[in-house]
Amino acid sequence: KAGVTQTPRYLIKTRGQQVTLSCSPISGHRSVSWYQQTPGQGLQFLFEYFSETQRNKGNFPGRFSGRQFSNSRSEMNVSTLELGDSALYLCASSLTNLTLVRGEYFGAGTRLSVL
Amino acid sequence: DAKTTQPPSMDCAEGRAANLPCNHSTISGNEYVYWYRQIHSQGPQYIIHGLKNNETNEMASLIITEDRKSSTLILPHATLRDTAVYYCIVRVAVNNDMRFGAGTRLTVKP
Repeated sequence: KAGVTQTPRYLIKTRGQQVTLSCSPISGHRSVSWYQQTPGQGLQFLFEYFSETQRNKGNFPGRFSGRQFSNSRSEMNVSTLELGDSALYLCASSLTNLTLVRGEYFGAGTRLSVL
Repeated sequence: DAKTTQPPSMDCAEGRAANLPCNHSTISGNEYVYWYRQIHSQGPQYIIHGLKNNETNEMASLIITEDRKSSTLILPHATLRDTAVYYCIVRVAVNNDMRFGAGTRLTVKP
């Protein structure tokens, strides 16, 4: 079974630009979550999508948005990029109920550098 | 604010058991203890989770104290490939809103 696929793996943008990251979950997984990981803040939850609906949201500004398609693939968008948005963005997929399964499966991440 | 406390680093000899401690003294009754690890340049990998009973799977064992205020992850026969940062978190199982702290950097030495 293929794992969680994130594209692109690396991205360089400049301040003020916007960026779209893509995540393809494991086949059959309907929940997709996004996380931001930085050396200073560690890993922080952005949002979770399930059946095309945002089910949970972390404490990030509105510049961070996402969506999920009917095939469970998900995208996240960051508008008006700031230097502090430089981070590893991770996508994780899971079945609906974590108590029944082995937690989430993470992708390798997209490393975004904002110059 | 951190809900778990872990030592910043640990060493372990290859082939020996690695015991990684975690304190979570403010854990709530409906929160599970989850362990993940992250090898450099890769996404986090789920290892194991538990509520109050000890758990074992093909990767590791999880020992949770009776008062649930601390736990220990045990890698029974550490290999060089187990060198990674190990994260202990507490969370409600159906909630994906989780936050990793600094974790424990485990170095397995030959």
